[in-house]
Amino acid sequence: GDSVTQMEGPVTLSEEAFLTINCTYTATGYPSLFWYVQYPGEGLQLLLKATKADDKGSNKGFEATYRKETTSFHLEKGSVQVSDSAVYFCALRNSGGSNYKLTFGKGTLLTVNP
Amino acid sequence: DAGVIQSPRHEVTEMGQEVTLRCKPISGHDYLFWYRQTMMRGLELLIYFNNNVPIDDSGMPEDRFSAKMPNASFSTLKIQPSEPRDSAVYFCASSNRDSYNSPLHFGNGTRLTVT
Repeated sequence: GDSVTQMEGPVTLSEEAFLTINCTYTATGYPSLFWYVQYPGEGLQLLLKATKADDKGSNKGFEATYRKETTSFHLEKGSVQVSDSAVYFCALRNSGGSNYKLTFGKGTLLTVNP
Repeated sequence: DAGVIQSPRHEVTEMGQEVTLRCKPISGHDYLFWYRQTMMRGLELLIYFNNNVPIDDSGMPEDRFSAKMPNASFSTLKIQPSEPRDSAVYFCASSNRDSYNSPLHFGNGTRLTVT
């Protein structure tokens, strides 16, 4: 079945540091890929998405590129802020048959210190 | 748009009691999902509906859990009887039809504590 593996946290960075959170996936067909963010006490929010190979999703300074050859969708940001502290989830959604459900990774907790 | 609305935000109950969680999806969304989040297991899909019909309930833990969607604007997740291991945050999410590359829109969740 489909699965998503993301780097284990927690990740602790200083403000303005470079961020990478690795994500790889296993899926049949051609899934769409997503990064969601969960701030403390809130639900998940879509951060960015990519729907086909070589697409780059971007939002709020975050980027991720859909790499079909390496089945990866790593999240990056050049300069993190304290306000980026949250849990980040990589996810895929497959189009096969009637399967529209989202498969999530386990999440990576990011803490950014001033 | 008001987004996905869940109630209550917090629920504390004693073991053996019945618990009902409620969800109002975004208007016009044909897919509704119930997820459970715990530290140990992360996010787990419990069940999802399409056009008010349950499509996949393979994630429902056991017969104590049941979910209904009587109409397009309302869904419930019921636990009867509740147990301490059911303590978790339960999220409802909705999505557009015919668009597998559309994102899910999540509510803010219900934090359930069973003592």
